Amino acid sequence: DAGVIQSPRHEVTEMGQEVTLRCKPISGHNSLFWYRQTMMRGLELLIYFNNNVPIDDSGMPEDRFSAKMPNASFSTLKIQPSEPRDSAVYFCASKDRPNTEAFFGQGTRLTVV
Amino acid sequence: AQSVTQPDIHITVSEGASLELRCNYSYGATPYLFWYVQSPGQGLQLLLKYFSGDTLVQGIKGFEAEFKRSQSSFNLRKPSVHWSDAAEYFCAVGDLGGADGLTFGKGTHLIIQP
Repeated sequence: DAGVIQSPRHEVTEMGQEVTLRCKPISGHNSLFWYRQTMMRGLELLIYFNNNVPIDDSGMPEDRFSAKMPNASFSTLKIQPSEPRDSAVYFCASKDRPNTEAFFGQGTRLTVV
Repeated sequence: AQSVTQPDIHITVSEGASLELRCNYSYGATPYLFWYVQSPGQGLQLLLKYFSGDTLVQGIKGFEAEFKRSQSSFNLRKPSVHWSDAAEYFCAVGDLGGADGLTFGKGTHLIIQP
């Protein structure tokens, strides 16, 4: 398996623009997680899905952030409108069952100027 | 709420020397614990995990960790480090049987001196 695949790897956008980050989990994994990594706050869980259903989105910072999982093999994290403070590395991770390790993608480095 | 503390932001170790990275967690229920490693520009790779049973767990790349419930600790060790071990190391805790997301520590940056 190719692992968790995220795209793009790097994104530079202007403040106010819409940004969409994409994730393909490992085939057969039914839990998917979005994390944000910054120097100040470390790794923060934004939202996670079980069987394509959002379970906990309490980490989503504000309404500008939204996430979807239309099917078992694809998820998006959207920021609209983007702001400079959204600059971070965004990771997607998946796991095949509860109480096991999560497998991480290589991340998307987002820069909002 | 659960939390993870990695008290050392940076650690410098000479190549061939032993290593111990500290991790303390705060959690009321039964935790499950992980150590991940992140190389520059890369995602997180699992080094080892603890769910139950033997409190000394072995991982990849010669790493091990010991779960000490009385100290709420899960320290990572390696008897002899290699230059390729230079990376960021993260300790994480999850809720065994509960919510599925992990809580991460802020990480420890490991520097290897020749």
